[in-house]
Amino acid sequence: GIQVEQSPPDLILQEGANSTLRCNFSDSVNNLQWFHQNPWGQLINLFYIPSGTKQNGRLSATTVATERYSLLYISSSQTTDSGVYFCAVPPGRGSTLGRLYFGRGTQLTVWP
Amino acid sequence: DGGITQSPKYLFRKEGQNVTLSCEQNLNHDAMYWYRQDPGQGLRLIYYSQIVNDFQKGDIAEGYSVSREKKESFPLTVTSAQKNPTAFYLCASSMDGYNEQFFGPGTRLTVL
Repeated sequence: GIQVEQSPPDLILQEGANSTLRCNFSDSVNNLQWFHQNPWGQLINLFYIPSGTKQNGRLSATTVATERYSLLYISSSQTTDSGVYFCAVPPGRGSTLGRLYFGRGTQLTVWP
Repeated sequence: DGGITQSPKYLFRKEGQNVTLSCEQNLNHDAMYWYRQDPGQGLRLIYYSQIVNDFQKGDIAEGYSVSREKKESFPLTVTSAQKNPTAFYLCASSMDGYNEQFFGPGTRLTVL
């Protein structure tokens, strides 16, 4: 299956700081999702972004499909941003399987 | 309110017992999925179903079983054959298996 690598594995910030999370994947893909897992375990959809850039408030994401990576930017971080951020991709182009492969996540801790 | 519900939120079972986790969605999605998450890990696919009365094994299907008799329901049974069942179980759905996936709140299973 496709390999998904996220970096850094852990990130500790002070409130107000900016950060960039990276997701590399091993094959061409048709789409990519970013999720935030809150402390209660709920996975919250952040972005569905096959290519290009999307913004939602303080968060934005960029996927460069030809170079097989995606970046998640968090600006002016808040304590409520704490949690684990996952990226996930479907099987490579040409696959008929409908599923996602997940990275191991980035654990973000934001201190007041 | 459209969404995905999972029950129970917490589940305790004794070794050697089978247990069934419920997953229901009212989003009219065709595809449904079960993932397992262990501490500090990403999500791993157990089973998925892209249409009623059909399902496929994921990466870690051994010791689990599923059924898909109704579009809105995809229950997961953790059997006594699963050697290490203590984990967080997440159910997801998507419109047709190739679009954005959405997740339920999860069930934490502990084997005593």
